[in-house]
Amino acid sequence: GAVVSQHPSWVICKSGTSVKIECRSLDFQATTMFWYRQFPKQSLMLMATSNEGSKATYEQGVEKDKFLINHASLTLSTLTVTSAHPEDSSFYICSARGGQTYEQYFGPGTRLTVT
Amino acid sequence: RKEVEQDPGPFNVPEGATVAFNCTYSNSASQSFFWYRQDCRKEPKLLMSVYSSGNEDGRFTAQLNRASQYISLLIRDSKLSDSATYLCVVITVTGGFKTIFGAGTRLFVKA
Repeated sequence: GAVVSQHPSWVICKSGTSVKIECRSLDFQATTMFWYRQFPKQSLMLMATSNEGSKATYEQGVEKDKFLINHASLTLSTLTVTSAHPEDSSFYICSARGGQTYEQYFGPGTRLTVT
Repeated sequence: RKEVEQDPGPFNVPEGATVAFNCTYSNSASQSFFWYRQDCRKEPKLLMSVYSSGNEDGRFTAQLNRASQYISLLIRDSKLSDSATYLCVVITVTGGFKTIFGAGTRLFVKA
């Protein structure tokens, strides 16, 4: 299957700081990338969908000014959590879809802890 | 009603057992269907696609019933390593690409 990487795999930051997470498709061009959040023992929650070169589409209840998404190329999308708070601590996972296929391939996730 | 609903689980089965998961979806225009598995504290990984004609991969069989709007996953001869959460995924393209994940069904396979 296709390979998607994420960096960093885990990060601890202080409240009020910003954290950037990178998602890369390594062996295919990702026309669409998705960002999810998952709290312990809960299901995946889609935060936003981004298409290369256009603005991300955010799900209801997700603050676009707090979770900045950039999809500047067909292989890279970034999620920046701005002014992080402890309640933002979660497992953030990206996925990517390419071409005419519908399968999504997930990155390994980033575990964010805000202290 | 949720757009995609799965058996709540958890399923606790002994090694060697056959276990079946069901998933129902509400949008009849949905076009593609998948099963993913997610291990604890890991990302979801694509297990298999689901077709009306059925799809078999070793011990795993997936089936789609469009008339009843449900998909199923059958695992035969369960292994300890099958313990995971199984996620049903439904994709709708009409009216805009939309991917809906089920909440997942937790499976515990015990020796």
